[in-house]
Formats: sequence, structure tokens, C-alpha cells
Amino acid sequence: DSGVTQTPKHLITATGQRVTLRCSPRSGDLSVYWYQQSLDQGLQFLIQYYNGEERAKGNILERFSAQQFPDLHSELNLSSLELGDSALYFCASSVDAAGELFFGEGSRLTVL
Amino acid sequence: TQLLEQSPQFLSIQEGENLTVYCNSSSVFSSLQWYRQEPGEGPVLLVTVVTGGEVKKLKRLTFQFGDARKDSSLHITAAQPGDTGLYLCAGEGKSTFGDGTTLTVKP
Repeated sequence: DSGVTQTPKHLITATGQRVTLRCSPRSGDLSVYWYQQSLDQGLQFLIQYYNGEERAKGNILERFSAQQFPDLHSELNLSSLELGDSALYFCASSVDAAGELFFGEGSRLTVL
Repeated sequence: TQLLEQSPQFLSIQEGENLTVYCNSSSVFSSLQWYRQEPGEGPVLLVTVVTGGEVKKLKRLTFQFGDARKDSSLHITAAQPGDTGLYLCAGEGKSTFGDGTTLTVKP
């Protein structure tokens, strides 16, 4: 158990819909990262937050947005969903930018 | 943009065999990390290498960082079915990951 909690574990929805993925980081970790992993592929970095503020942005689509709340949990919002958005979405946390990364078990999104 | 290329993409071997997987880049990294991801789980950090030429051992796993800090390798001795998984390398900053090597070790 990494200490990072992601919900929901599985989500099936239709094209055009909007979903919210939630992440609770390890206790004490201030940095939260979001990644997308398509089938049998590596991790594509989406976005990083540190103590409530956006720190770095990767190849995140304009249809996607995220935020980190004062209690440090984070949400990733995916809107106008397309078939190609079907993937595993991972959240990870670390104490700071240099610290070890701890991953949650991921949220599997299926868009039909 | 820093890119990491991993090879081979897929590797299927018998228990007891040795193997090496590679992580290469045209960019210099101040550090590289190796992760293992098992089906249905998130990646777990195995090791971080920071010095050019560095060799780190973790039981049957040997990690090497290239002298120029552009490449790294992971060697597994006497592979076991429990080694099965996706092996990912990542550069510092946590934003650059390779596409991984999917290893299957058959009993």
C-alpha cells in the first residue's frame, strides 16, 4: 500500500461526458502528479501541483483540468470525453519535487 | 524535450535466464529512476542512479548509469516469475518516462 488513494478504480462512460477523478496523497506529501497510461505504454505526464499551486504542465489537453485543494487532495476533471481518452489515470505524490514518487493504483477510464 | 527510449519493448523468457533492458536518450540527465509496475497496480520505485558510471545492485537486479548520463541499463540475473512486470525508466523532474519494457518470466 503506497498510501496514495485514487477513486474511482473503474469508470465507464460515454463520449461527450465529463468525469472527475480524485486523489488523496500520502500523509505529509505536498506534491501531487497526474499521469495518463494507455494500453501497454509508459506514463504521459499531465500536470503537477505543489501545496495547492500548479508547478508543471505536460501534454494535458485543454479539455482536461485539475486542481489541488487546501487539504492537499487533488481532482482531475476530464470533459467532452472521446474514445481515445480511455486509459489508466495515475496519481502520485511526493514530499517535494526531489522526493520519491509514490503512485496510487490508478483509475481505469473506459469511454464508449 | 527530453525523451527516453526503452528496449526491448517486450521480452519473454524462461525462469532462470538472465536479461538486460535498456533506457537511452540523446539528452543528459542528472539522475534516472527505474520503476516496476505489476498488472493492476501503480509503478513502484526500484532505484535512483545519479552518478555517471554508477552501478547499483538490488538482490538479483543490477542497475548501471552510463558515463555520459544519457543511458541506463537494468540486468536481471536468474529471472523468476515474480520479476514479471512493466519496467519503466524516468528522468529527474518526474515528467519524462520511457514507454517501458514488458517482461514475462515463464515458470
